[in-house]
Amino acid sequence: DVKVTQSSRYLVKRTGEKVFLECVQDMDHENMFWYRQDPGLGLRLIYFSYDVKMKEKGDIPEGYSVSREKKERFSLILESASTNQTSMYLCASSFSGHYGYTFGSGTRLTVV
Amino acid sequence: QKEVEQDPGPLSVPEGAIVSLNCTYSNSAFQYFMWYRQYSRKGPELLMYTYSSGNKEDGRFTAQVDKSSKYISLFIRDSQPSDSATYLCAMSSDSGGSYIPTFGRGTSLIVHP
Repeated sequence: DVKVTQSSRYLVKRTGEKVFLECVQDMDHENMFWYRQDPGLGLRLIYFSYDVKMKEKGDIPEGYSVSREKKERFSLILESASTNQTSMYLCASSFSGHYGYTFGSGTRLTVV
Repeated sequence: QKEVEQDPGPLSVPEGAIVSLNCTYSNSAFQYFMWYRQYSRKGPELLMYTYSSGNKEDGRFTAQVDKSSKYISLFIRDSQPSDSATYLCAMSSDSGGSYIPTFGRGTSLIVHP
């Protein structure tokens, strides 16, 4: 069974902390994505990556960075967590976005 | 006008009903259409994928695309309580070299016994 695994289901962090969200896929997909999902706003793309060491900004990259040192792993970094970054974070991977994504189970992050 | 519109619901139906979930869109370049199901506190899972116009059936689920009306539908026959979830549509095009899909905000479906 193919999988996208997010390291944490729930996280609580303090304002100003540096936060790492990890995502690993076992499908040998080139493309990986980070979204956040908020009630009423839907899915919003933060960053994506077509290949190792490569990254592209999505629609809302401010306050975030990413790292992709290996093909299977894509990390989202909150440089200095703020309360407005409290959200559900979803990682996804795909062979091509045209044919659909495989999403992880999500990380619900609360910043206090 | 948003690029993809989807009624948030909730849509509440009795068990066994036929459910129709819909999205409208404004970008005529969209050619690839997807439906995802998302249970509470889980990530979305891909249900159906279609290319261009027409119908596609998979068990109790049928996806329908009407490009002339810029309208897509997901039908669920013999709905079950386990179908209770949020359904998101997504669509993408080849133009501009980007394959990043545009998602609807999702419709919440409740199937009650």
